[in-house]
Amino acid sequence: NAGVTQTPKFQVLKTGQSMTLQCAQDMNHEYMSWYRQDPGMGLRLIHYSVGAGITDQGEVPNGYNVSRSTTEDFPLRLLSAAPSQTSVYFCASRTGPLGYTFGSGTRLTVV
Amino acid sequence: DQQVKQNSPSLSVQEGRISILNCDYTNSMFDYFLWYKKYPAEGPTFLISISSIKDKNEDGRFTVFLNKSAKHLSLHIVPSQPGDSAVYFCAASEGSGNTGKLIFGQGTTLQVKP
Repeated sequence: NAGVTQTPKFQVLKTGQSMTLQCAQDMNHEYMSWYRQDPGMGLRLIHYSVGAGITDQGEVPNGYNVSRSTTEDFPLRLLSAAPSQTSVYFCASRTGPLGYTFGSGTRLTVV
Repeated sequence: DQQVKQNSPSLSVQEGRISILNCDYTNSMFDYFLWYKKYPAEGPTFLISISSIKDKNEDGRFTVFLNKSAKHLSLHIVPSQPGDSAVYFCAASEGSGNTGKLIFGQGTTLQVKP
């Protein structure tokens, strides 16, 4: 039982490049979310999903796409990376009203 | 517009004393509140939660208080221990926590001095 697994842990991108941050959970959780953490801004919700095939926008969705084809996976796509997307990204999952379980994060730098 | 606010970026307390971390919210539809703890280079971990039908919830050294009329919640840690030194985030949700949308505050860095 690995919980929430995020890959990669570190990534450097050039402006304009695209990439996918992977997130997988093995707890059969319905809800999954992506957050970014920036200094002084806390954790801001990018996109979230309440089940396979259902996604919705969070507080800061621009520049990011998501899809939820299976219960286990919730990848986050950066279509054209910008320096403003330099951040630490966290994926989380939960079931019911209990607290989210977070992954260990992906540190992304866009140069 | 920040719907969940933690106005104190940092807090320093002596070991054994009480730590009080505060959080304010603006959205009156929020009815479920949580506190998370985060160490450097790790993901946040769930600490304690409270539903809006309650005004207090305890779990060991941790107690969360909710004042709905003031749209304010606080986390009390008694007694504080050096291992409690971390960043603490409060978070809020609508729909009794079942909407999947959890909004976080900016975080408060707690330092507990031995």
